[in-house]
Amino acid sequence: GAGVSQSPRYKVAKRGQDVALRCDPISGHVSLFWYQQALGQGPEFLTYFQNEAQLDKSGLPSDRFFAERPEGSVSTLKIQRTQQEDSAVYLCASSLARGGSYNSPLHFGNGTRLTVT
Amino acid sequence: GENVEQHPSTLSVQEGDSAVIKCTYSDSASNYFPWYKQELGKRPQLIIDIRSNVGEKKDQRIAVTLNKTAKHFSLHITETQPEDSAVYFCAASMGAGGTSYGKLTFGQGTILTVHP
Repeated sequence: GAGVSQSPRYKVAKRGQDVALRCDPISGHVSLFWYQQALGQGPEFLTYFQNEAQLDKSGLPSDRFFAERPEGSVSTLKIQRTQQEDSAVYLCASSLARGGSYNSPLHFGNGTRLTVT
Repeated sequence: GENVEQHPSTLSVQEGDSAVIKCTYSDSASNYFPWYKQELGKRPQLIIDIRSNVGEKKDQRIAVTLNKTAKHFSLHITETQPEDSAVYFCAASMGAGGTSYGKLTFGQGTILTVHP
């Protein structure tokens, strides 16, 4: 497909477990963003990659959150020692242009719904 | 940092009526304002966007207006249809100059229900 693909679609983790969430951006898209969307809220920025470089990680809520994009394509968001407050939908978005642009807006995936019990 | 406030949180209209959703932002450096539609369990989809050098933009039944002085922008949907029912989010970012259009600050969302 031509869209942003995320897996798994749903993830249930017990508190304290580590999880890894995958994002396959649109082929050729330079920019990749991760957002966290709590229930009933708007998405909140977590981190941004330009190709393989993580240029902005100011939104990561703690050092338990780690993201990588080693070959400038697929990205993985890892959460260590999950807590209940980590329960949310994690959205990935990509853009053709560096940083996104007015003429190359973000394309979001359907997200991964993480539930920590 | 940027703060975006969105009102109302819920909006119920009859089919064919107009719907207006309003947002305010705090950082005068913001210059890009997209609107997203999100259906239950699905991805946010861009429906219209505007840059700060433009006061109004229209695309068929959807329009967005921007008042830079007052730091607010609005989404207008005319001739609403049941399929317009969804959650709508406004957002703002400071594009260019090293930061990016894609680092968006979102509003809290408006649940729009269009009754047939």
